[in-house]
Amino acid sequence: VQLVESGGGVVQPGRSLRLSCVVSGFTLRSSAMHWVRQTPGKGLEWLAVMPYDGSKTYYADSVKGRFTISRDESKNTLYLQMNSLRAEDTGVYYCAKDRANYLFDYWGQGTLVTVSS
Amino acid sequence: EIVMTQSPATLSVSPGERATLSCRASQNINSNLAWYRQTPGQAPRLLIYGASTRATGIPARFSGSGSGTEFTLTISSLQSEDFAVYCCQQYHHWPPAFGQGTRLEIK
Repeated sequence: VQLVESGGGVVQPGRSLRLSCVVSGFTLRSSAMHWVRQTPGKGLEWLAVMPYDGSKTYYADSVKGRFTISRDESKNTLYLQMNSLRAEDTGVYYCAKDRANYLFDYWGQGTLVTVSS
Repeated sequence: EIVMTQSPATLSVSPGERATLSCRASQNINSNLAWYRQTPGQAPRLLIYGASTRATGIPARFSGSGSGTEFTLTISSLQSEDFAVYCCQQYHHWPPAFGQGTRLEIK
């Protein structure tokens, strides 16, 4: 099992960024997937979940309405579209595989997002 | 939302000695508690789930205990790779929540 994030970088407040997470060793149809971030202010924070069947997604209040989780099964890739970025969104973003009920058994190494003017 | 509180923030222990880390939940979470290890530049690794079950490949020197609101992670004989940050996480109530972490450093 391997998860590899990409797409991080420096972006100005109010702009957008899309993160990707390519998975191998399993399929996106076999497991729910999550995005979790680590910020200096809040530590680890769960952000969003894509169920294994691609049905209803859920978001933390801090990103609801600004971030969108999606996937492309043909590319074994999970995405996080981040809009209206704020300084407090700065941090390392991880994708994580769900073992069961929001227990995370595999994580990627993370991609750094810096929101700054 | 549930708040997870870890103590101490930093723990200094000598290699070969025992380390005991604590995690407290603001509400009852039964045994739905996980521990992760974080080292710089590496992916977080699941160590313990269900409060006391070791994840695949985790050595026996790691043990977890507790239920309800009070939990403990014990590392019986510290190896060099164990000096890292440890985080607890509850997955009983939505949304899942993490503690702020305990940094385990070499004494």
